[in-house]
Amino acid sequence: KAGVTQTPRYLIKTRGQQVTLSCSPISGHRSVSWYQQTPGQGLQFLFEYFSETQRNKGNFPGRFSGRQFSNSRSEMNVSTLELGDSALYLCASSLPGPRTNIQYFGAGTRLSVL
Amino acid sequence: GQQLNQSPQSMFIQEGEDVSMNCTSSSIFNTWLWYKQDPGEGPVLLIALYKAGELTSNGRLTAQFGITRKDSFLNISASIPSDVGIYFCAGFGNSNSGYALNFGKGTSLLVTP
Repeated sequence: KAGVTQTPRYLIKTRGQQVTLSCSPISGHRSVSWYQQTPGQGLQFLFEYFSETQRNKGNFPGRFSGRQFSNSRSEMNVSTLELGDSALYLCASSLPGPRTNIQYFGAGTRLSVL
Repeated sequence: GQQLNQSPQSMFIQEGEDVSMNCTSSSIFNTWLWYKQDPGEGPVLLIALYKAGELTSNGRLTAQFGITRKDSFLNISASIPSDVGIYFCAGFGNSNSGYALNFGKGTSLLVTP
């Protein structure tokens, strides 16, 4: 069974640009969560999608947005990039049911903002 | 979300030694998870704990869900060089972001042969 796939693995952007990251969950998983990982702040929750609806949202500005498609694939978008947005962006998927809190992570997308 | 207090921040040990790390929170969680992250990769789930007092093993790894539901620890016995990495605790519970995973800042483990 394939794991969580994130594309691209690496991105370099400049301030003010926007970026879209993609995540394909494990087959059968319907919940997708996004996290930002930085050396200073660690892993911080961005948002979670389930059945194409945002179910939870972390404390990030509105420049960070996401969506989920009917096949459970998800994208996140960051507009008007800032230097501080440089981070590893991780996607995690989980099964529906009582074990929805068991999340399986992709390898991440490393975003560098210059 | 909430930041969990994970300690120690880093450990430098010799191969064969046992390792212990822990995580505390001011809030109650109904699930505790332990992950390991290698450089350039995403976190990989090691152990999941669902009940207060639960003690679970996965090979040389043992983790416990604290009785108060506000803490958890992870032990690694007889460490080997491939244990090198960053270990994260995560608690699942209600925060100002709704029900979400809250992570510790990680314990960086270095093992010398």
